[in-house]
Amino acid sequence: RKEVEQDPGPFNVPEGATVAFNCTYSNSASQSFFWYRQDCRKEPKLLMSVYSSGNEDGRFTAQLNRASQYISLLIRDSKLSDSATYLCVVTSDPLSGGYNKLIFGAGTRLAVHP
Amino acid sequence: EPEVTQTPSHQVTQMGQEVILRCVPISNHLYFYWYRQILGQKVEFLVSFYNNEISEKSEIFDDQFSVERPDGSNFTLKIRSTKLEDSAMYFCASSPSSQDYEQYFGPGTRLTVT
Repeated sequence: RKEVEQDPGPFNVPEGATVAFNCTYSNSASQSFFWYRQDCRKEPKLLMSVYSSGNEDGRFTAQLNRASQYISLLIRDSKLSDSATYLCVVTSDPLSGGYNKLIFGAGTRLAVHP
Repeated sequence: EPEVTQTPSHQVTQMGQEVILRCVPISNHLYFYWYRQILGQKVEFLVSFYNNEISEKSEIFDDQFSVERPDGSNFTLKIRSTKLEDSAMYFCASSPSSQDYEQYFGPGTRLTVT
């Protein structure tokens, strides 16, 4: 089983649409969770951290379900500029001695069209 | 806003040659990382570095790889004898502390081995 699994997409949506991405992770001891955004041939950029209580940042809402080892990202009112690959990221198990290495999913591509 | 910088942006080298990729992490950060991304694949952890020594390394980070912090600002990744399969984007990242899981990525160096 992959450490972090995501639907590769692509998700093709019109401007203004609401789109949801899902992610599952295999290590129940993972401590921290993130969504990163990556534009073509660019570096990953942190979009938001994900907390158990759920958190929102403008049009973006992230949820974490530790029991199901499931993370989600909801984007409301999609903009053309949201077109990118969205990476689900978890940290390694701290008890393994890791210094917070990030474990990336392969990403979900989003294409927003006019 | 402080940022991680990397040089060069693109490096072309012949198989068997040594390359050194350079990074300047954010100045008050203490934890440093290298990741790589082969074209079309996910971002993969290579190595983490703290207090002038490697804290964790992946299976990819074999004897051909080494890291160094030669002075107070630079953090380098050396590949001793490059192989075709080393062609990838190499991203440097840094974070302030072990409690701060957010890592800030540089723009990457595209390494092409011919």
